[in-house]
Amino acid sequence: DVKVTQSSRYLVKRTGEKVFLECVQDMDHENMFWYRQDPGLGLRLIYFSYDVKMKEKGDIPEGYSVSREKKERFSLILESASTNQTSMYLCASITGTGPYEQYFGPGTRLTVT
Amino acid sequence: GENVEQHPSTLSVQEGDSAVIKCTYSDSASNYFPWYKQELGKRPQLIIDIRSNVGEKKDQRIAVTLNKTAKHFSLHITETQPEDSAVYFCAAKGTYKYIFGTGTRLKVLA
Repeated sequence: DVKVTQSSRYLVKRTGEKVFLECVQDMDHENMFWYRQDPGLGLRLIYFSYDVKMKEKGDIPEGYSVSREKKERFSLILESASTNQTSMYLCASITGTGPYEQYFGPGTRLTVT
Repeated sequence: GENVEQHPSTLSVQEGDSAVIKCTYSDSASNYFPWYKQELGKRPQLIIDIRSNVGEKKDQRIAVTLNKTAKHFSLHITETQPEDSAVYFCAAKGTYKYIFGTGTRLKVLA
């Protein structure tokens, strides 16, 4: 059974802080994704990675960076948190060769005050 | 850029009735179309998917249809039950990226 975990379920940070969100998957998946979920906007892709040390910008990368030093771990970094980054953050992973089902982590609800 | 439009944004049906949610995608290279169900406070879970070489797929009360020419795909839920109440997301996958619709909040009224 695929397991995707995220470092925190709830996080409260102050404006300007550097924030790290971690995602770990245990199924040796090549591809990993970070989304943010906001009411009425669905899931929007921030960054994804298709291999260790590889990363690609998604649709809303501004204000974020990522790191993938190990295959099982994909980190999202908010360099200087702002209030408009208050959101639910979801990590997901899939194998690179199919099937293509994305497995999601439980999400991190980040509040920036 | 690529996008996926999803309608309606909210849908209320009586228990036992059918529910239909529709999506339209823009990237003609999309080849995989999953549907996710997200209950309150939980992660999205895949409920059904369809690949571009198939027109229809059914799994018990849930079915998905795909019209590649029109770039439309739809989710059909028959004999709805209160536990079907959730937010449903469609998505279209290209080479790596998944583009999600904005979600449909389905309420099944007992």
